[in-house]
Amino acid sequence: NAGVMQNPRHLVRRRGQEARLRCSPMKGHSHVYWYRQLPEEGLKFMVYLQKENIIDESGMPKERFSAEFPKEGPSILRIQQVVRGDSAAYFCASSPMGSQGTEAFFGQGTRLTVV
Amino acid sequence: GQQLNQSPQSMFIQEGEDVSMNCTSSSIFNTWLWYKQEPGEGPVLLIALYKAGELTSNGRLTAQFGITRKDSFLNISASIPSDVGIYFCAGQARSNDYKLSFGAGTTVTVRA
Repeated sequence: NAGVMQNPRHLVRRRGQEARLRCSPMKGHSHVYWYRQLPEEGLKFMVYLQKENIIDESGMPKERFSAEFPKEGPSILRIQQVVRGDSAAYFCASSPMGSQGTEAFFGQGTRLTVV
Repeated sequence: GQQLNQSPQSMFIQEGEDVSMNCTSSSIFNTWLWYKQEPGEGPVLLIALYKAGELTSNGRLTAQFGITRKDSFLNISASIPSDVGIYFCAGQARSNDYKLSFGAGTTVTVRA
């Protein structure tokens, strides 16, 4: 039973490029959460999605960041025109329908480096 | 999100020692969680606490949900080398709130 799968594990982008981070939730999970972790800090909530719906994006920067969770396929976190300050580890978590966030399982993360 | 203050920031411990770390908040939480993160990995849930005053164990780990609902502690007994890692507290402000607020973490290094 595979856990939450994130890819790529490491991503290097030059300033101004786009970064696309993918997350496949655990089998049977329909809720996806994205968190960002800056070096030596805790995780910060970004966005909560269910299939084809953004439920809460209150933690997402207003510009350049977007997220989707289509009916088929993984959830995507997209960062346009990356800047050095976007360098961080981005974690996805998933939970089953009807659950609370405490029942979420985290993936291994994508470490984004902007050069 | 809510601000969680976690202490200590880091600790060096001798193998076999007991370890304690805590987390405080200026506001009430309905759920307290403790996670461990190893280098290059995502956080793994260790213990979840759902009621004020609750004391829960998971092997050598024990955590308590403070009576005021504004704090929690985690104890590790008889440390071993594989306890190395970063321990995070996290809280949920409301029972139906999916968002987790995380502390900044306690880095534990074990001296063999």
